[in-house]
Amino acid sequence: DTGVSQDPRHKITKRGQNVTFRCDPISEHNRLYWYRQTLGQGPEFLTYFQNEAQLEKSRLLSDRFSAERPKGSFSTLEIQRTEQGDSAMYLCASSQGQVNGAFFGQGTRLTVV
Amino acid sequence: LAKTTQPISMDSYEGQEVNITCSHNNIATNDYITWYQQFPSQGPRFIIQGYKTKVTNEVASLFIPADRKSSTLSLPRVSLSDTAVYYCLVGDDNNNDMRFGAGTRLTVKP
Repeated sequence: DTGVSQDPRHKITKRGQNVTFRCDPISEHNRLYWYRQTLGQGPEFLTYFQNEAQLEKSRLLSDRFSAERPKGSFSTLEIQRTEQGDSAMYLCASSQGQVNGAFFGQGTRLTVV
Repeated sequence: LAKTTQPISMDSYEGQEVNITCSHNNIATNDYITWYQQFPSQGPRFIIQGYKTKVTNEVASLFIPADRKSSTLSLPRVSLSDTAVYYCLVGDDNNNDMRFGAGTRLTVKP
């Protein structure tokens, strides 16, 4: 399978707990993006990596959110002290430059109870 | 970053051609236009990309007028399975993000 892989697909957590999601991009892609999507809305940009460098970070990404991409390969998105408003689909995408289009994973659906 | 405007929703019937227009009045010289399709509970899927004039692939055609201030995604002979949200994005390889708008919700009826 050479697509973008996200793990887990679903996560239910209690408010106040920390969660971590993983994204494995297409191996030769140097760009990796994280998005959050709620029902009926378009994907909201969270952050972007070029190789291992985090080059852009949305104001939506509060200090409870952190993302890493060690060695420019897989990436993790951690949410600390989850709130009910964090319930959403978290999408990861990778690309080799933007003009070639990006490939998205299936997403991780987070439910905070 | 060029902002895009699309219709919120469109309805069509099976077998018809559907054209979805996206406005991007502030498009920059180096910007490309990219369209994505998204089904419920899935990530967006790249459909087509173009810079000017016309681009065609096995899924769709993309028409871009000379001033490049708009673009039209054309889906020939739609089927029920084309019911999805379609997003138009504008940007070049120097953009550090890809920002989606609300997209166009296309409903194909039998």
